[in-house]
Amino acid sequence: QVQLQQWGAGLLKPSETLSLTCAVYGGSFSGYYWSWIRQPPGKGLEWIGEINHSGRTTYNPSLTSRVTMSVDTSKNQFSLRVTPVTAADTAVYYCARLVGVANFDSWGQGTLVTVSS
Amino acid sequence: EIVLTQSPGTLSLSPGKRATLSCRASQSVSNTYLAWYQQKPGQAPRLLIYGASHRATGIPDRFSGSGSGTDFTLTISRLEPEDFAVYYCQQYGSSPLTFGGGTKVEIK
Repeated sequence: QVQLQQWGAGLLKPSETLSLTCAVYGGSFSGYYWSWIRQPPGKGLEWIGEINHSGRTTYNPSLTSRVTMSVDTSKNQFSLRVTPVTAADTAVYYCARLVGVANFDSWGQGTLVTVSS
Repeated sequence: EIVLTQSPGTLSLSPGKRATLSCRASQSVSNTYLAWYQQKPGQAPRLLIYGASHRATGIPDRFSGSGSGTDFTLTISRLEPEDFAVYYCQQYGSSPLTFGGGTKVEIK
């Protein structure tokens, strides 16, 4: 049973860099794409992008200029950077496994990131 | 970008009743790439239905998905107390991957 565990800074100031990492336990890392999804408080879900084990990425065009994803296959981890952040980036950020390049069957626990001066 | 519009925004029903949730796409979506999720407060979403009509592992058979093209439906045949939550549809037939705005199923 695959498990995703994520971590990163929860409080940022405007113009700083959001940095989150997600570790994958108990399953194949190379056989899937891995995504980041965010959810502003009280709102819906927004896909940020995806990465595979070789580092191939696809980003949501709405965020592509500020987003970078990376992967560390030696640790079965993938990471997200968003810079510079604004208050509009305040959200719960989730990592998730993309199955069949179609849907998400496993999710991290979520990290609340608050951007405030 | 494919926009997914979910209706109604809120569905107020009593336990034991049937719930019908709609997801309409702005362009045709292949069935393979349409999924439904359930989210409860403070939790990550949980995959219910993939490929428009296939239940994910461990999902009770009171949940069913149907539809094709631009119109998809999630049906909960008899609402159990644990089914009151927010439901999202999601597509990845076309990039970027998008989610609907959600339907909240609340206790009447």
